[in-house]
Parts: sequence; C-alpha cells; structure tokens
Amino acid sequence: DQQVKQNSPSLSVQEGRISILNCDYTNSMFDYFLWYKKYPAEGPTFLISISSIKDKNEDGRFTVFLNKSAKHLSLHIVPSQPGDSAVYFCAASRGNGNKLVFGAGTILRVKS
Amino acid sequence: DGGITQSPKYLFRKEGQNVTLSCEQNLNHDAMYWYRQDPGQGLRLIYYSQIVNDFQKGDIAEGYSVSREKKESFPLTVTSAQKNPTAFYLCASTGDPRGQPQHFGDGTRLSIL
Repeated sequence: DQQVKQNSPSLSVQEGRISILNCDYTNSMFDYFLWYKKYPAEGPTFLISISSIKDKNEDGRFTVFLNKSAKHLSLHIVPSQPGDSAVYFCAASRGNGNKLVFGAGTILRVKS
Repeated sequence: DGGITQSPKYLFRKEGQNVTLSCEQNLNHDAMYWYRQDPGQGLRLIYYSQIVNDFQKGDIAEGYSVSREKKESFPLTVTSAQKNPTAFYLCASTGDPRGQPQHFGDGTRLSIL
C-alpha cells in the first residue's frame, strides 16, 4: 500500500522556468510533509517542509503548497537552475513524526 | 563540522555472512534511523531509535538488527537472513521528530558477491 505517491517519474524544464513537482498521499492522519533533494550516491538533503496547519510555505526559490482536501502537495521551484537537477522525494509523517513515509521520487532535469 | 558519517561507502558481502554498517553523528540528536533505497523506489524504514538503549522496528526490519549503546552511534547489521540485501542504505538523525526534519548521511552501497 503506497501511502505517498509521486506519479511523475521524471520532469524536464528549461532553465529560468518554473518546475512543479507533485505528490499525493492517502493517509489523512499525515500532518507533516517534507521535500528532499538527492544527488546520485549521496544522502537526501532537506529542502522545505510544511505542517498541516498551513497551506503554503516559502523559502527562497522553493515554495510548497498543501491541499488537504485533495491530499495533494506540490513543490514549486522558480526560477529553475541547472544545479536543481536531481531526484526529489516527497515524504510525510503523522503524530510524533518518527516514521517518514517516502514517495518513489521524481527526477528533475533542468536544461540550460 | 557537525554531521552524519556512514562507513564504508561501498561494502561487499558473501552469501551467508553478516555485515555491519556504521552510522555516527555529532549533532547531539536523540533520534536516529536506518532506511533502505532500491532502484526506482522511495526510502523504506528499517529501524529507528528515539533514545539510547531503545529502538523500534520499521516497515522492513526482517533480516536486520541494530543497537543503540551510545547516543552518537546506531550501527545496522545485515544478517544472512536478509535474502535480498543488495541496496543503498541511508542513516538519518533528528533532534526533534515532531518538528524537525531528518538529516541524512551519504549512504552505504551494499552488494552481494
């Protein structure tokens, strides 16, 4: 049972344009959501998070939107840069947040 | 610099052998985690520990064991009972699971000879 889904395995975007990465979840008990960025052969790096009491959180070029009724969150990167090319993982947790549930990831390629 | 150190980066195991993956953190974090990543999949939780001398099974604990004798160390043993151990193993830690993100090491890639 996949509780966190990233339905787009890959996304290609031109440098300077907006990248939108999507994530859907099925467990309505999730109350904390995170995005991680991962380069090959390295550990994931935390990007941005949002709690269920908010619908938007912004940090520089990165904005995460949460739509609880649709059980959907998205990560917007604007403007996209070639260095943003990586795998992006969506993750969710509930309660005390001990167990993060990860999506399968989306490969983002930013073309210069 | 503070961080999480995993060693070795690459590890090879013969069939029937146990191997231990090291994870050390100097972030003074109470909680530590082990995840496994397979190609095309997200990270899956193996074991986690919220405090020294205590740990809990994650979603895929079968064939693995851990110990938490010191706050800074959380080694993972892949036993011979784990039938498909080839994967990328990631260790993480956090100061407060309720509100702070988990921070990850750079991983260990385990392969079977």
